[in-house]
Amino acid sequence: QKEVEQDPGPLSVPEGAIVSLNCTYSNSAFQYFMWYRQYSRKGPELLMYTYSSGNKEDGRFTAQVDKSSKYISLFIRDSQPSDSATYLCARLSNTDKLIFGTGTRLQVFP
Amino acid sequence: ETGVTQSPTHLIKTRGQQVTLRCSSQSGHNTVSWYQQALGQGPQFIFQYYREEENGRGNFPPRFSGLQFPNYSSELNVNALELDDSALYLCASSVQGNSPLHFGNGTRLTVT
Repeated sequence: QKEVEQDPGPLSVPEGAIVSLNCTYSNSAFQYFMWYRQYSRKGPELLMYTYSSGNKEDGRFTAQVDKSSKYISLFIRDSQPSDSATYLCARLSNTDKLIFGTGTRLQVFP
Repeated sequence: ETGVTQSPTHLIKTRGQQVTLRCSSQSGHNTVSWYQQALGQGPQFIFQYYREEENGRGNFPPRFSGLQFPNYSSELNVNALELDDSALYLCASSVQGNSPLHFGNGTRLTVT
């Protein structure tokens, strides 16, 4: 079992939809999570990071961590075509390295 | 504030050759990490440097090596290139013990 599992998609939604992106993780030892957005031919760009359970909101983006089910989610409200990208979830290990999922490719069509 | 910059952006090498990739850290960041991202996959941790010393290594063979310089810039060297080394190589900088990591746009390496 991979440490961080993520559905690769692709996920295709109409403009304005609410998008839900999900990851599961297997190691409970360290619970610092991040979401990165990666456009084609670019490096990952940090969207949000969160520690422990609960929600964190930033504009149209909400990150959610559920420790009991080892589930992390990213919600995008009022999705835009410019949100079309690959979304990577990651867990920070206790040795300061990021463990990434495979990424979910999102396509928002007008 | 200058972000993480990597050079070159693209590179084509032949199997068995050696390659050096370069990275300039974001201003104020003292830690640099290197990741390998194969097509359709998430980045995989190669190693991290802090104060010019290797500070953690992923599951990569010794032919992957690195350096960090006093100005916190860094190099990734790969010897005896193999076809499977074809990937996007990402550099990320951070402040030690204080995430998050900020990535450059990577170097696309193709090994033929």
